[in-house]
Amino acid sequence: EAGVTQFPSHSVIEKGQTVTLRCDPISGHDNLYWYRRVMGKEIKFLLHFVKESKQDESGMPNNRFLAERTGGTYSTLKVQPAELEDSGVYFCASSQVQARETQYFGPGTRLLVL
Amino acid sequence: AQSVTQLGSHVSVSEGALVLLRCNYSSSVPPYLFWYVQYPNQGLQLLLKYTSAATLVKGINGFEAEFKKSETSFHLTKPSAHMSDAAEYFCAVSRSYRDDKIIFGKGTRLHILP
Repeated sequence: EAGVTQFPSHSVIEKGQTVTLRCDPISGHDNLYWYRRVMGKEIKFLLHFVKESKQDESGMPNNRFLAERTGGTYSTLKVQPAELEDSGVYFCASSQVQARETQYFGPGTRLLVL
Repeated sequence: AQSVTQLGSHVSVSEGALVLLRCNYSSSVPPYLFWYVQYPNQGLQLLLKYTSAATLVKGINGFEAEFKKSETSFHLTKPSAHMSDAAEYFCAVSRSYRDDKIIFGKGTRLHILP
């Protein structure tokens, strides 16, 4: 069974540009989460999808971040326009409805905004 | 509010020695507790989890952790360190009966000395 996959693995962009991160959850996992680790800080929750619906987006830092999960399968996280403080590692995780507490994480996307 | 404190951002142990990574949590109600590990250039992998069953939890790769409510601790141990244990370890807490967000500690990087 394939794990959570994320694309790209690395992205280097300039301030003001747009970047879109993609996450493919484990097949059959209705729950999908985004987390972020800014350099030197702890990993922080961004938002939670149940299928295509946003269940909890309390961790989204501001309106420059837009997450979507059309069709309830893969998800995208767009940052527009990117700022220097957006640099960090963006993790995606997924879980089954009947075992929500066990989240399986992807390898992360390392974003560097110059 | 929940929080997680990991004592020591870096811990060094000799190969074959006991590994002890400390974690304390604060939560107004019994939480779910986790240890995740991130090996170099890889994603987060679940080592073990406590979900109110046995207080001594065994995980993968010989690690175990003990939930001590009186001390609000969930320390991670391994009797004998191996070079392959070098990684960053994250203690985390969640309350899945309320919401799914996982709250992470800042991480402890474990160094194994030959």
